Amino acid sequence: AQKVTQAQTEISVVEKEDVTLDCVYETRDTTYYLFWYKQPPSGELVFLIRRNSFDEQNEISGRYSWNFQKSTSSFNFTITASQVVDSAVYFCALSEVGNQGGKLIFGQGTELSVKP
Amino acid sequence: GAVVSQHPSRVICKSGTSVKIECRSLDFQATTMFWYRQFPKQSLMLMATSNEGSKATYEQGVEKDKFLINHASLTLSTLTVTSAHPEDSSFYICSAREGGLNTEAFFGQGTRLTVV
Repeated sequence: AQKVTQAQTEISVVEKEDVTLDCVYETRDTTYYLFWYKQPPSGELVFLIRRNSFDEQNEISGRYSWNFQKSTSSFNFTITASQVVDSAVYFCALSEVGNQGGKLIFGQGTELSVKP
Repeated sequence: GAVVSQHPSRVICKSGTSVKIECRSLDFQATTMFWYRQFPKQSLMLMATSNEGSKATYEQGVEKDKFLINHASLTLSTLTVTSAHPEDSSFYICSAREGGLNTEAFFGQGTRLTVV
């Protein structure tokens, strides 16, 4: 069965520190998609990245970077030089080809607090 | 990115009444929409997958008679919480895919339901 685990429930860092949010997934499918979403206090989910299972290239977008390792079933997210505005709950999610319509299975979320 | 509008953002209702939540894709057609429920400090739990023109597919443990889902058009899905009780108080959030699995799911702003 599909499952997404975010072992870190809460992380607190000081501004300008780098922080990595871990995500480990389980799936039997060979074709799947992984996502990261940010949920600020307002509640709306903000899309950050989508990665398909055949593309293991790491990706960098500004201060954000993602490390996808199929060998360890991990899709970790790093924020470089964190800022107070990065404070939010971050969710990792999995979508399998076999699931109807491609529903998303979410991890438990990691609450990131960046202090000035 | 594509826009998904959810209405209302907040609603307070009395026990025993019904509440309807709307989810609209504003600038794209969504053949599939998803409804999630999120308790405080918890992850998003998929309630059902809504397909235009057909019956919704509910996740195990979700009462289909209590949470009525209608997907009448390619841009609108509604969730009606019937005979609401205080335990139905939660954050409900919808999402829609613009295309196939290789596209991100866009989320509405969420609806905070409080049943008193």
